[in-house]
Amino acid sequence: GQSLEQPSEVTAVEGAIVQINCTYQTSGFYGLSWYQQHDGGAPTFLSYNALDGLEETGRFSSFLSRSDSYGYLLLQELQMKDSASYFCAVSLSGYSTLTFGKGTMLLVSP
Amino acid sequence: DGGITQSPKYLFRKEGQNVTLSCEQNLNHDAMYWYRQDPGQGLRLIYYSQIVNDFQKGDIAEGYSVSREKKESFPLTVTSAQKNPTAFYLCASRARKENTEAFFGQGTRLTVV
Repeated sequence: GQSLEQPSEVTAVEGAIVQINCTYQTSGFYGLSWYQQHDGGAPTFLSYNALDGLEETGRFSSFLSRSDSYGYLLLQELQMKDSASYFCAVSLSGYSTLTFGKGTMLLVSP
Repeated sequence: DGGITQSPKYLFRKEGQNVTLSCEQNLNHDAMYWYRQDPGQGLRLIYYSQIVNDFQKGDIAEGYSVSREKKESFPLTVTSAQKNPTAFYLCASRARKENTEAFFGQGTRLTVV
């Protein structure tokens, strides 16, 4: 089976940097994705890593270490609108389903 | 505009009744998915379909059924056999090629009373 571990909640202040970690145990691995979900809304795609290293997209970056079965999402220059739940998800092949972690609720305060 | 539409947004049903949730996409995606979300549980896969007229069970398929008669549509039926149907249901679609993101609908919140 597959399991993904991420913290349940993280708090930070506006303008700060926060890192959300994700460790996974899967039978096979193809890539790690990150999704953002505001309360009651649809999850939206943030980033994807298939190879080791850092991927940067504006204020958000995502890192993957395949040897450590570990990745993280880095959010810089935090804004109030970044308060949301963040999910890591693994895909076992290029065409397979996504298996999601339980999500990390990020609370950004003024 | 291309997208994925779920309806209705809120649904109330009496215990013991079957109910069907609609999911339509005009993104020309081959793959479609149904997830269930409960507080603190993340997204759990119910059923998925990679191609028309074919679908597979996910991790929590018991008490649910689906059909995929058209590429654009992937309805989910919550049957009376589902012991705990009250939840937030999310439909997603994805192009059937490598490294593609999933697009989600706005969800249907089902409450069984």
